[in-house]
Amino acid sequence: NAGVTQTPKFQVLKTGQSMTLQCAQDMNHEYMSWYRQDPGMGLRLIHYSVGAGITDQGEVPNGYNVSRSTTEDFPLRLLSAAPSQTSVYFCASSPNVVAVNNEQFFGPGTRLTVL
Amino acid sequence: GESVGLHLPTLSVQEGDNSIINCAYSNSASDYFIWYKQESGKGPQFIIDIRSNMDKRQGQRVTVLLNKTVKHLSLQIAATQPGDSAVYFCAEIRGYSTLTFGKGTMLLVSP
Repeated sequence: NAGVTQTPKFQVLKTGQSMTLQCAQDMNHEYMSWYRQDPGMGLRLIHYSVGAGITDQGEVPNGYNVSRSTTEDFPLRLLSAAPSQTSVYFCASSPNVVAVNNEQFFGPGTRLTVL
Repeated sequence: GESVGLHLPTLSVQEGDNSIINCAYSNSASDYFIWYKQESGKGPQFIIDIRSNMDKRQGQRVTVLLNKTVKHLSLQIAATQPGDSAVYFCAEIRGYSTLTFGKGTMLLVSP
């Protein structure tokens, strides 16, 4: 298993540009989520999905869109990038939302800079 | 271990010491708590979790203690090793759907 994969690893955008951060998992996990991590901060939840066709907003959803057409993929779209979206983005997946020995597997992250 | 601004609280220990990392959580209705380890340039890695109806859980070299009265969570690492150097985050699950992270504590282990 490759686990959780994210592409690209690094990206530089200009203000107003759009792009999609890709996330895929091969563990057949139902639950997937996107977080952003700013310097000296913990991770903040952007959007999450409890299964294909179902998405919901997290703590900081503004400026981001998601979709979940398959179990494996959960792309994050920035429609019009802003400097405030400069951050490291992590995708995560887990078998269930809450379970004994629940483990949420994180991808390696995408470092995004918006100029 | 609450952080202020951009500066993470830091715990410095010697190799072989026991480490205790603390976390205060805000929501008394949280159902579940998890400790994560994040090494530089990597995503967080699950360490150990605990349900809200428990007050202690042990893993390999790690113990998590939960005090619901004062909404406090701690992670104890026995015989700390240089490879334990990382940022440690506590996280809480509310409503069985969202995971909320604390701001992290940096653990530095000197050989």
